[in-house]
Amino acid sequence: DVKVTQSSRYLVKRTGEKVFLECVQDMDHENMFWYRQDPGLGLRLIYFSYDVKMKEKGDIPEGYSVSREKKERFSLILESASTNQTSMYLCASSLSDGDTQYFGPGTRLLVL
Amino acid sequence: SQQGEEDPQALSIQEGENATMNCSYKTSINNLQWYRQNSGRGLVHLILIRSNEREKHSGRLRVTLDTSKKSSSLLITASRAADTASYFCATPLSGNTPLVFGKGTRLSVIA
Repeated sequence: DVKVTQSSRYLVKRTGEKVFLECVQDMDHENMFWYRQDPGLGLRLIYFSYDVKMKEKGDIPEGYSVSREKKERFSLILESASTNQTSMYLCASSLSDGDTQYFGPGTRLLVL
Repeated sequence: SQQGEEDPQALSIQEGENATMNCSYKTSINNLQWYRQNSGRGLVHLILIRSNEREKHSGRLRVTLDTSKKSSSLLITASRAADTASYFCATPLSGNTPLVFGKGTRLSVIA
């Protein structure tokens, strides 16, 4: 079974802090994705990556950056956390484009 | 960028009844996928139907795809309390680009 793990289930940070959310997949998938999920807005794509050191902006990249130094790991970085970044963050991976996505359990981030 | 849109937004049924959720999308697709999300958890893939398929089954799940109407439906037969979750459809916006998810249908199955 594909396993996607996220570094934290719950995280509380202060405004202005730098926040790292880590995601690791164990199935040698090419593609990895970061979404945020907010009530009434569904899942929105922040960034995705098709290969190591490759990144593409999704629908809402502002305020975020990503890093993919190794194939299995995709990090989401909030350079200076703000209260409007309080949300559920979901990481996913897929073998190829348009293919089934496998999700991690999510990180619920609260920025105070 | 909105692609898939589920209907209804919320559905409440009794255990043992069938639940039907619909998804409409806007552009031509290669495939359409359905996912389930239990409260506060990640999404779990349920089924993928390709554009050249009209119907697909997996256990108690039945998915149909009508490309002429740009719509899909997910039927859960003989529902159980454990089916209580949100259900999302997802399609690539074009070609094989990243999936775009709808806002989901919240299903409540009452025992």
